Amino acid sequence: GAGVSQSPSNKVTEKGKDVELRCDPISGHTALYWYRQSLGQGLEFLIYFQGNSAPDKSGLPSDRFSAERTGGSVSTLTIQRTQQEDSAVYLCASSVGQGRHEQYFGPGTRLTVT
Amino acid sequence: AQSVTQLGSHVSVSEGALVLLRCNYSSSVPPYLFWYVQYPNQGLQLLLKYTTGATLVKGINGFEAEFKKSETSFHLTKPSAHMSDAAEYFCAVTAPDKLVFGAGTILRVKS
Repeated sequence: GAGVSQSPSNKVTEKGKDVELRCDPISGHTALYWYRQSLGQGLEFLIYFQGNSAPDKSGLPSDRFSAERTGGSVSTLTIQRTQQEDSAVYLCASSVGQGRHEQYFGPGTRLTVT
Repeated sequence: AQSVTQLGSHVSVSEGALVLLRCNYSSSVPPYLFWYVQYPNQGLQLLLKYTTGATLVKGINGFEAEFKKSETSFHLTKPSAHMSDAAEYFCAVTAPDKLVFGAGTILRVKS
């Protein structure tokens, strides 16, 4: 079946611009996660959704970052006024539930801020 | 708070040799542990997981890992390395509604 998909696969933007990253989870998966992967910081948790609610957004690095999920499916991660330190690969994952259930990852969006 | 330490940022083995990638965790509750593999320019793929029950867990591509509570370890092994195993490997622990990852180990397989 279809896996987790993310778009765009690559995004180059100028410093100060806003960007939106999209994630389509596996159908039926109620949990959705965003992580960021960068050279200096490794894999970092950003935010977690259960349905359309975000019980844990503790990993969002600043108020320039926000995310939403609609219809218990698609999620959008928005970064406002991008900075060079936002350059990273943004990974989305989905799961049938939290905890012991494995997370299935998408291919990621590579964001480059110039 | 949960954390993961992967010993060795780079491991190099010869084709056909044993692969051993080390992972130690810290968790205040019984952990759920995972190993993921990442090939260049791809997302993470699950190799295996430990939740409860049998402490020796078998995964895909001939990999296995053993959960040792007394040593707080979850090392990944494969008896015979193949060139296609070259990738980056991540150990992770649930915390509890997200994954906390180790820094990763890049495995190089020499012919």
